[in-house]
Amino acid sequence: SAVISQKPSRDICQRGTSLTIQCQVDSQVTMMFWYRQQPGQSLTLIATANQGSEATYESGFVIDKFPISRPNLTFSTLTVSNMSPEDSSIYLCSVEIRAREQFFGPGTRLTVL
Amino acid sequence: QKEVEQDPGPLSVPEGAIVSLNCTYSNSAFQYFMWYRQYSRKGPELLMYTYSSGNKEDGRFTAQVDKSSKYISLFIRDSQPSDSATYLCAMSAQGNYQLIWGAGTKLIIKP
Repeated sequence: SAVISQKPSRDICQRGTSLTIQCQVDSQVTMMFWYRQQPGQSLTLIATANQGSEATYESGFVIDKFPISRPNLTFSTLTVSNMSPEDSSIYLCSVEIRAREQFFGPGTRLTVL
Repeated sequence: QKEVEQDPGPLSVPEGAIVSLNCTYSNSAFQYFMWYRQYSRKGPELLMYTYSSGNKEDGRFTAQVDKSSKYISLFIRDSQPSDSATYLCAMSAQGNYQLIWGAGTKLIIKP
C-alpha cells in the first residue's frame, strides 16, 4: 500500500479565486490520479498525472480550469482555477501501486461561496 | 446505460447478518475488479482486488466475480456496526488503467 496525504483537508473560497491542492506520497509512483466526488456521489476522474509528461484530462475537464503539476515521483498538485459554486466538491488524489490497485488520499473538501 | 450499475441503497441490516453487495457491468473486456470502502468524510479504501474470475476471501469479506453473467459480489459475514460505510465497486479492462466506478451502496449495520 501507500500513505498519501493531501493539503489542505478543507477550504472555503470565494468565487473567482483559485486553490491549489497538494498530494504527497510516501513512495515513488508512476501514475497519480485526480478525482472529484460530489456529496453522496461516486468518483469522477479529472486527469491522470504521470511524472515527466503532460497530464491527460478526461472529457469535460480542461487544463485551463484544472492545471496539474507533477514535478517528481512522490508529489503532485491540482489547481482549481477561477472557482464558482459548482466547483464545490471533494477532490481526491490516488496512486496506482500495482496493476489497477489505486490507493487514495483523505480528500480535500472545497466549498466555494 | 451505464457501464457499471450499482444500487445506491441505503441497505440496512441488523448486526451479525450476512451482507451481499453487487454490481453488474456491460463491458466484457473488464478483467480487474475491485471493492472499495469509504467512510464518511474519508477517502476510499481498497478492500478487495480480483483479477479475472473466481472468488477471493479475506477474513469476513468474500469477493466473487462471475464473468459469464457480468456480475460481481461482495459478501460480509458477521457484519458489525463498524462496517457501516459506502461500498464502491470499480473495474478496468486489460491495457486500460482507468477505473470505471459504480455509484456506491450505502450500508448501515444496526446494533
